[in-house]
Amino acid sequence: DQQVKQNSPSLSVQEGRISILNCDYTNSMFDYFLWYKKYPAEGPTFLISISSIKDKNEDGRFTVFLNKSAKHLSLHIVPSQPGDSAVYFCAARRSNFGNEKLTFGTGTRLTIIP
Amino acid sequence: EAQVTQNPRYLITVTGKKLTVTCSQNMNHEYMSWYRQDPGLGLRQIYYSMNVEVTDKGDVPEGYKVSRKEKRNFPLILESPSPNQTSLYFCASSLGQDHSGANVLTFGAGSRLTVL
Repeated sequence: DQQVKQNSPSLSVQEGRISILNCDYTNSMFDYFLWYKKYPAEGPTFLISISSIKDKNEDGRFTVFLNKSAKHLSLHIVPSQPGDSAVYFCAARRSNFGNEKLTFGTGTRLTIIP
Repeated sequence: EAQVTQNPRYLITVTGKKLTVTCSQNMNHEYMSWYRQDPGLGLRQIYYSMNVEVTDKGDVPEGYKVSRKEKRNFPLILESPSPNQTSLYFCASSLGQDHSGANVLTFGAGSRLTVL
C-alpha cells in the first residue's frame, strides 16, 4: 500500500520556466512533509520541508505547498536551472517518539532542457 | 565534512554468502537507519536505531540484521543473501529525539548490491 504517491515518473521543463512536482498521500496521521533531491550515484539530499500546520514554505527558488484537505503537496521550482535535473522524492513523517521513519514516494525524474 | 559513509559502494555476490555493508557517521547523531530503494517502490525502511544498543525493525526487515555497538557505526548484515535482496541500499542518520519534524535525515551515497 503506497501511502505516498508521485504519479508522474518524469517531467521535462524548459530552463527558466517553472517546474511543478506533485505528491499525494493517504495517511492523515502524517504531520511533516519533506522533499529530497537525488543525483545519480549519490544519496538523497534534503531540499525543503513543511509542517502540517502550514500551507506554504519558501526557500529561495523552492516553494512547497500543502493542501491538507486534498492530501496533496507540490514543489515549485522557479526559475528552473539545468542543475535542478535530478530525481525528486516526496517523503512524509508521522511524529512518533523514536523512529524518525520517512515514508517515500517513488520519485519524479525532472529534466531541465537548456 | 559532515557525512554518512557506506562501504562497499558496489558489490556482486552469490546466494548464501554472508556479507556486511558498513555505515559510519561523523555527526554524533543518535538516530541511524537503513533503507532500500527498488524500482516502483521508492525507499523503504529496513531497520533503525535510536541509540547505542537500541535497534528495531522497519517495514522490510526480513533477511537482514543490524547492530549498534558504537554511536557512529550501524552495519547492515545479510546472513544468507538471496536474489530478492538485490537493491540499492542507503544508510541515514539524524539527531533524533525531536518530535517537531525539524530533524532531517542525512543519507549516505548508497551501496548497490547484486545477489546472483
